[in-house]
Amino acid sequence: EVQLLESGGGLVQPGGSLRLSCTASGFTFSNYAMNWVRQAPGKGLEWVSAIYGGGGSTYYADSVKGRFTISRDNSKNTLYLQMNSLRAEDTAVYYCAKDLVEYGSSFSFDFWGQGTLVTVSS
Amino acid sequence: DIQMTQSPSSLSASVGDRVTITCRASQRISSYLNWYQQKPGKAPNLLIYATSTLQSGVPSRFSGSGSGTDFTLTISSLQPEDFATYYCQQTFSSPWTFGQGTKVEIK
Repeated sequence: EVQLLESGGGLVQPGGSLRLSCTASGFTFSNYAMNWVRQAPGKGLEWVSAIYGGGGSTYYADSVKGRFTISRDNSKNTLYLQMNSLRAEDTAVYYCAKDLVEYGSSFSFDFWGQGTLVTVSS
Repeated sequence: DIQMTQSPSSLSASVGDRVTITCRASQRISSYLNWYQQKPGKAPNLLIYATSTLQSGVPSRFSGSGSGTDFTLTISSLQPEDFATYYCQQTFSSPWTFGQGTKVEIK
């Protein structure tokens, strides 16, 4: 059974940093691209970042480019999102999501974690 | 960026109704269109990918169609568990954008 478990969310002041983690199980983690998708309170979904299975290629939404860094440790089956220079508008539930396609990327997300809430406020 | 616009933003329907949700892309995206269902407090769930391919485990009352810029999600006979918010997503080009959502409520 595929499971994705996020952690690391919390309350942080504007300008602060936070690192999210997503621990995966139930599939061969290194074979799949992984993504972060966020949802501000009461709002819709926003794709944030993606990383290929081998970790060699990464993608970012313009809204987070230069502030967020996606990475993965395939030996630990864990995905990360380092978030720096946080702003109020980054407040959201952050989901990690697995790509549908093995050995590639479709940017279609077939399994999601339960989400972790990041609140940026003074 | 490709803008995805869903209509309506919300709708009220009864159990057994046929429901259609529309998604329009700001430019042609071929068939690179997915649909997700999200229930309150839960993560989204992939229903349909590549416009019309039903994800494993999704009931056959859900179907998708379209190409180019105009796409539809149809629920042939609405069930109590289908009351949720539905999102379309384009996977044609980065950033992979979502529609604003359509909330399906009980009439």
